[in-house]
Formats: sequence, structure tokens, C-alpha cells
Amino acid sequence: AQKITQTQPGMFVQEKEAVTLDCTYDTSDQSYGLFWYKQPSSGEMIFLIYQGSYDEQNATEGRYSLNFQKARKSANLVISASQLGDSAMYFCAMREGPTGNTPLVFGKGTRLSVIA
Amino acid sequence: DTGVSQDPRHKITKRGQNVTFRCDPISEHNRLYWYRQTLGQGPEFLTYFQNEAQLEKSRLLSDRFSAERPKGSFSTLEIQRTEQGDSAMYLCASSLWGQGNEQYFGPGTRLTVT
Repeated sequence: AQKITQTQPGMFVQEKEAVTLDCTYDTSDQSYGLFWYKQPSSGEMIFLIYQGSYDEQNATEGRYSLNFQKARKSANLVISASQLGDSAMYFCAMREGPTGNTPLVFGKGTRLSVIA
Repeated sequence: DTGVSQDPRHKITKRGQNVTFRCDPISEHNRLYWYRQTLGQGPEFLTYFQNEAQLEKSRLLSDRFSAERPKGSFSTLEIQRTEQGDSAMYLCASSLWGQGNEQYFGPGTRLTVT
């Protein structure tokens, strides 16, 4: 069974609009972490945002916020005020276990295209 | 503060040849990870190190693959007797154990096996 599921292969959004990228996860651990990374066409993975399973508040980093719904096992990324430079692949990832720095499991990604 | 670097950025090789990739992590980072990414997929974990110790290897890491981090600094990933199925982007990441959660990725090495 897939541990990270991203059901949207591609998404389009108008510049300056908000967009939500979906991510659901599967784990039996009580302690885990969820990540979103951006991968532009250059190939480098850029860390965007992190949510710990025990964090009560949804994580926010600038224009990025993570809509964490633990009971539904979802960790959707919300990008507000989209910019042309946001066009890229976006990956949701998870690390399991109580300690940080363990290997990540990634979803298949969502390609976001921002339209002027 | 320089980021994670990888060399080479691109490698084209013929089937059956051996290739070696290098990763230089962020200088104070003690954890180093190798991932492989094929077209249309997310990265998949291959192996990781804490300092010079290899802590875990994925079942994806066949006997033809070997990774080292001899002095706990840079790491090499060698693929022997390459096959066309080895064509992929090989990503290296590093992190500092006990400090935050994020892994910092390098630009990757794109391998094409002809």
C-alpha cells in the first residue's frame, strides 16, 4: 500500500489565486512528520514546510500553509497568491518514527502550472 | 554557507560500464542520504549514513550498488555493470541529526544508460 498518495497529477491556477495540493498518508506510527518539497525543472528539491504529528497548529511558512487533518490522515499544501515562479512539481513526503532525520517516503507528485 | 553539491550533474554511459557519483553535504551535517528518482515518480530512498556509518539500505539497492562515506564527509555511490533500468536522477541530501527535520537536497546527477 502506498504510504503517500497525491491524487492530482496536474493542477492549473491563475496567477494571484490560491491553490490547494492534496496529500493523504498512511502510517501506524503515532509520531511522524510530514513535508512538502518543490522541484522546479532544474531538478533540485526545495524544502517548503514541515508538520509534526503532535503539532497542534497548522504549519505556515510565508505563502505556504499546511492543512493538517490528523483523523483524515491528510496534509494538504495551500499556496496563497500564486506566482509564475510557483510552477513546478510538488512532492508530499513523510518520515516515520519519533526521531527526526530518518529517510523520507515521497508521493508521486503534483505538477502545478500557474497561468498569467 | 554552500549547499549540497553533486558531481557530475549528468552522466551518459554504456550498458555494462561502472559509474561513480560524488556528493558533498553541507559541511556540519552528519547525516547523508541517497535517493533515486525515475521519470514521473517521487524520489525513492536508497541508503543513508550517520557520519561514516551506513545505517540503512533499501531493498532497491541491489548488489551492483555500493555507497561509502569514508571520513564522514563526502559520499560516493557506485553502480557496477550498469543496466538501462538504472537510468534515473540520483539525489543526495544531508541533515544535521537533532537539529530540525528538513533534509537539504543537492541538484542531483542524471544518469543515462544507453
